[in-house]
Amino acid sequence: DAGVIQSPRHEVTEMGQEVTLRCKPISGHNSLFWYRQTMMRGLELLIYFNNNVPIDDSGMPEDRFSAKMPNASFSTLKIQPSEPRDSAVYFCASSLRSGTYEQYFGPGTRLTVT
Amino acid sequence: GESVGLHLPTLSVQEGDNSIINCAYSNSASDYFIWYKQESGKGPQFIIDIRSNMDKRQGQRVTVLLNKTVKHLSLQIAATQPGDSAVYFCAEGHTGGFKTIFGAGTRLFVKA
Repeated sequence: DAGVIQSPRHEVTEMGQEVTLRCKPISGHNSLFWYRQTMMRGLELLIYFNNNVPIDDSGMPEDRFSAKMPNASFSTLKIQPSEPRDSAVYFCASSLRSGTYEQYFGPGTRLTVT
Repeated sequence: GESVGLHLPTLSVQEGDNSIINCAYSNSASDYFIWYKQESGKGPQFIIDIRSNMDKRQGQRVTVLLNKTVKHLSLQIAATQPGDSAVYFCAEGHTGGFKTIFGAGTRLFVKA
């Protein structure tokens, strides 16, 4: 299996622009997670999907952030408008089962907002 | 609130020695604990997990110990190799939930 796939790997954008991050989970996994990692705050869970349905988005920092999972093999995380403080590495992870089990992380997208 | 913390932010060991990475957790309701390894430029990688009905679990060259009395978790790596150099995160959650709380991480340096 190719593992969790994320694109782009790097994104540099100007403040105010829209950013869309993409994720393809491992086939057969029914749970998907979006995380943000920074030096100051570590790994933070942004949102969790189970069977394509958003279960908890309490970690989404603001209304500028939105996530969708239109089908079992694709998810997006959108930031509109982006701000410099959004600069971070964004990880997508998937898990075989719902509930608390080991997660498989993608390589991440390094976002820089200038 | 829930939190998972690490005693040592960095650990330096000689190749071939055993490494011990420690972690403290504060949520008594947590009953599932996981160790992840993150190499530079990569996402965290699952190493080993343990549920609260166990106090020890072994994998390949790794052992996780859980002491629920003092809310302490440790990861032992036997015969540490240069490829073990990474940041190690402990994480906690509870059965029936989905949210995994990650600790701050410990950076392991392996000296050749």
